[in-house]
Amino acid sequence: GDSVTQMEGPVTLSEEAFLTINCTYTATGYPSLFWYVQYPGEGLQLLLKATKADDKGSNKGFEATYRKETTSFHLEKGSVQVSDSAVYFCALSDRGGGADGLTFGKGTHLIIQP
Amino acid sequence: DTEVTQTPKHLVMGMTNKKSLKCEQHMGHRAMYWYKQKAKKPPELMFVYSYEKLSINESVPSRFSPECPNSSLLNLHLHALQPEDSALYLCASSQAQLATNEKLFFGSGTQLSVL
Repeated sequence: GDSVTQMEGPVTLSEEAFLTINCTYTATGYPSLFWYVQYPGEGLQLLLKATKADDKGSNKGFEATYRKETTSFHLEKGSVQVSDSAVYFCALSDRGGGADGLTFGKGTHLIIQP
Repeated sequence: DTEVTQTPKHLVMGMTNKKSLKCEQHMGHRAMYWYKQKAKKPPELMFVYSYEKLSINESVPSRFSPECPNSSLLNLHLHALQPEDSALYLCASSQAQLATNEKLFFGSGTQLSVL
């Protein structure tokens, strides 16, 4: 079945550091890929998405490129801020016309220190 | 209005209680979801409603009973829960039952504690 593997944290960085959170996937079809972010005490918010190979999703300085050859969707940001501290979930949807939800990775807890 | 609103935000209940979680959206979405999230874990899909009909039940115990009274509302009725059911319960919606490029809108969740 489908699965998502992402680096588990916590990942601790200093403010203005470069961020990479790795995510790889297995899927039977041609999935869409997502990064969701969850701030403390809140639900999940879509951060960015990519729907086909070589697409780059970007939002709020975060980027991720859909790499079919390496089945990866790594999240990057050039200069992190304390406000980026949250849990980040990589997810995929591989349901074609019969969708029933997202498959999530285990989440990566990111801590940014001033 | 791009929000999914869940009430209550926190709920403490005993194992013999009956309670309900509520979820509301006014985005015209026709698919609504219940997820369960344990601490430091990803959300796990419980139920999916599509056009007010239950389309997915991920083998959830019968002590959880979903209800979709209309296209804007989704309830989760709770009865005779166990302490291990304590978790964050997240509601989500999407325009249609999730196609490959659909976006899920999540509520902030109800933090449930079962004593």
